[in-house]
Amino acid sequence: NAGVTQTPKFQVLKTGQSMTLQCAQDMNHNSMYWYRQDPGMGLRLIYYSASEGTTDKGEVPNGYNVSRLNKREFSLRLESAAPSQTSVYFCASSEREGAQDHYEQYFGPGTRLTVT
Amino acid sequence: KNQVEQSPQSLIILEGKNCTLQCNYTVSPFSNLRWYKQDTGRGPVSLTIMTFSENTKSNGRYTATLDADTKQSSLHITASQLSDSASYICVAASFMTTDSWGKLQFGAGTQVVVTP
Repeated sequence: NAGVTQTPKFQVLKTGQSMTLQCAQDMNHNSMYWYRQDPGMGLRLIYYSASEGTTDKGEVPNGYNVSRLNKREFSLRLESAAPSQTSVYFCASSEREGAQDHYEQYFGPGTRLTVT
Repeated sequence: KNQVEQSPQSLIILEGKNCTLQCNYTVSPFSNLRWYKQDTGRGPVSLTIMTFSENTKSNGRYTATLDADTKQSSLHITASQLSDSASYICVAASFMTTDSWGKLQFGAGTQVVVTP
């Protein structure tokens, strides 16, 4: 039981390049999320998928796209990377989220991305 | 403006001593308050989740308190160990009854360093 896995762990991109961050969970969770973490700031939600087949924008979606490939996998794509996207990216999953629910979120180990 | 403010930003404590971290939040409507521990280079790991009706919750040597009236929470670490060196993140959750998805507001974290 690996929990939430992310690939790659580190990546360096040049401005304008594209890449996809991969995330998979083996806990049969319904909901999955992508966050970014910047120094001195709290984690910010980029996109989320409340259930398989649905995706929605979070707080900072500009410059990103996502795909919920199946129940296990949720990928994040940067079409044209910019230096402002230099950050640590975390994928997370939870059984579900909604009113009156408070299932904890399980986070992956993160991807450290540098855009030069 | 961040709706979750944590203090102090960082602190250094001697192994075996206790410490208390503070969190003030302004999210509304408020659903639950979470504390996470994030080791360097790793993803956050949940310590406690408290709904507005809970005043205190413990997880081993970690005890979280919540005052929903003053919108304050604290995390107390008892008899600190070297492995407690980490960032501790306060998260306030807000759920609208008509939404299928709630919002988590993350604090920037308190960096704790435990020295021998």
